[in-house]
Amino acid sequence: GENVEQHPSTLSVQEGDSAVIKCTYSDSASNYFPWYKQELGKGPQLIIDIRSNVGEKKDQRIAVTLNKTAKHFSLHITETQPEDSAVYFCAASGAPNDYKLSFGAGTTVTVRA
Amino acid sequence: KAGVTQTPRYLIKTRGQQVTLSCSPISGHRSVSWYQQTPGQGLQFLFEYFSETQRNKGNFPGRFSGRQFSNSRSEMNVSTLELGDSALYLCASSLAPGGSYEQYFGPGTRLTVT
Repeated sequence: GENVEQHPSTLSVQEGDSAVIKCTYSDSASNYFPWYKQELGKGPQLIIDIRSNVGEKKDQRIAVTLNKTAKHFSLHITETQPEDSAVYFCAASGAPNDYKLSFGAGTTVTVRA
Repeated sequence: KAGVTQTPRYLIKTRGQQVTLSCSPISGHRSVSWYQQTPGQGLQFLFEYFSETQRNKGNFPGRFSGRQFSNSRSEMNVSTLELGDSALYLCASSLAPGGSYEQYFGPGTRLTVT
């Protein structure tokens, strides 16, 4: 099955700086890569996703890049704000007959004011 | 449009008991997936339902079961509860089955087994 590794496990950044989280996946047949943000006491919130036919996608301060050859994808948050503090999860899915999302272990992001 | 709703939000049960959790997907979504979230194991897939049929199942014992109703609402049941079943149980809905559709999560049910 799919195995997703995520780094770093914790990330502390100064407000206004950028944050980058990296993930690798094992199944070359995976074709869908979402990112979730989870705040304390809440369920994961889908913030951005990318499919294997696209190399990069951007939504305001958030961007995701995908390198299919190397089997890794990254989340970039620019101009970080205190409300960006949360746990972020990457995931992969879409391989034939594999309907589930396989998640990374999560990155706890703290934005220092 | 209302999001995914889960009830109850919190549960405390004793070892050996059973529990039923409920999930109502986003209106128009027909696929429901269940995940278990624990500090040690992270987010793990339990099962997925579409058109009242289980389409995919994760590596959990048979004590974990689920079902889906004709209105797409889903329930999951855990029988003979163990201490290790303490976790946040999350439900996610999507338009259709298959890992390529966006999945939207509910707030979860926090289950504590004592």
